[in-house]
Amino acid sequence: GAGVSQSPRYKVAKRGQDVALRCDPISGHVSLFWYQQALGQGPEFLTYFQNEAQLDKSGLPSDRFFAERPEGSVSTLKIQRTQQEDSAVYLCASSPRGRTIIYEQYFGPGTRLTVT
Amino acid sequence: GIQVEQSPPDLILQEGANSTLRCNFSDSVNNLQWFHQNPWGQLINLFYIPSGTKQNGRLSATTVATERYSLLYISSSQTTDSGVYFCAVQLANAGGTSYGKLTFGQGTILTVHP
Repeated sequence: GAGVSQSPRYKVAKRGQDVALRCDPISGHVSLFWYQQALGQGPEFLTYFQNEAQLDKSGLPSDRFFAERPEGSVSTLKIQRTQQEDSAVYLCASSPRGRTIIYEQYFGPGTRLTVT
Repeated sequence: GIQVEQSPPDLILQEGANSTLRCNFSDSVNNLQWFHQNPWGQLINLFYIPSGTKQNGRLSATTVATERYSLLYISSSQTTDSGVYFCAVQLANAGGTSYGKLTFGQGTILTVHP
């Protein structure tokens, strides 16, 4: 079946612009994660949804970052007033995990954001 | 938070050689995954291996949870194996809202020459 998809694949924003990044998880997956990957580094956790509930947003670097998943499927990561340090690849992952059972996470291709 | 260390940071091989990548972690985990990040940035799932040994073709992995390490073995390497290999773990018994996240190591950059 279809994997995790993300759009756009590439985004160039001028400093100060707002951007919205979309993630379509694998159909039926309960859990959805956002990660940020800086150049030459491993991905770092941003936020986690179980269905439509945002249960962990401890990794969001500032209040300019906002994520939502209103109907428990598609998710959007929004970055307001982008700064150069926001330049990175933003990865989305989903898993069929419920509250007490751990499943593996599957990643999308990422959105490469460049802030000029 | 939990620390994840991967070694070696860089590895250069001739096609056909074997290699072992290591992942050490600082606390008990209930999920461990190995990924291959290809040159286009896609993270490809290799193994979901919180404990034990698994094999998939030329690749195999072993996790010794009690000693807090995992090994990824690549045999008869091919040029298409080139890329970055990541180990990622999920902390065990994490309460509340930190339950689901993966913590990644810094990766091992593998280059296989023909």
